[in-house]
Amino acid sequence: AQTVTQSQPEMSVQEAETVTLSCTYDTSESDYYLFWYKQPPSRQMILVIRQEAYKQQNATENRFSVNFQKAAKSFSLKISDSQLGDAAMYFCAYRSNLLSGGGADGLTFGKGTHLIIQP
Amino acid sequence: EPEVTQTPSHQVTQMGQEVILRCVPISNHLYFYWYRQILGQKVEFLVSFYNNEISEKSEIFDDQFSVERPDGSNFTLKIRSTKLEDSAMYFCASSRRRNNEQFFGPGTRLTVL
Repeated sequence: AQTVTQSQPEMSVQEAETVTLSCTYDTSESDYYLFWYKQPPSRQMILVIRQEAYKQQNATENRFSVNFQKAAKSFSLKISDSQLGDAAMYFCAYRSNLLSGGGADGLTFGKGTHLIIQP
Repeated sequence: EPEVTQTPSHQVTQMGQEVILRCVPISNHLYFYWYRQILGQKVEFLVSFYNNEISEKSEIFDDQFSVERPDGSNFTLKIRSTKLEDSAMYFCASSRRRNNEQFFGPGTRLTVL
């Protein structure tokens, strides 16, 4: 079974600074997807960014980018120019690539990192 | 922009009672999911549903739980006899295809007294 580990329960960053959230995972599969979801106080889960394991290029979405290290099974999220609206819980998640014969429909989540933005 | 909706936003029930949580997935999506998040803990997968049948379920999804797509728009999660430990946030999600991104609803907070 796959596991996802987020070792930082809480991170704090000054507004406009850059912060990196860590995520490691364990899997025996070679083809899979990784995601970062944001959960603001409203509790809605919002997809921030996704990465396909077969792609070597790191995904980027505006101020959000990832550092995907497949051999190390590491998938960190970098938030540049932090804004007050970025304050939320951030969850790292894993899913098998089902088209490659992977087994699991559901996402496997980490425990989350609470990101605080200091004004 | 289409979105997943869930009702009610908050449900309070007595232990042993049956509850039905409702979800309306995005209209052209074919795959549906339920997740739960106990307060302060991680989000856990419960079940996935496609073509009117369960395609995968987790160990959490025992005989107390059932899912149904009673019509062309709703997707429901039923808990037959609620327990205190069923208190959690329940999220519905849907995806266009099995390998596509899952879009989450805003969740239903279930409180079992």
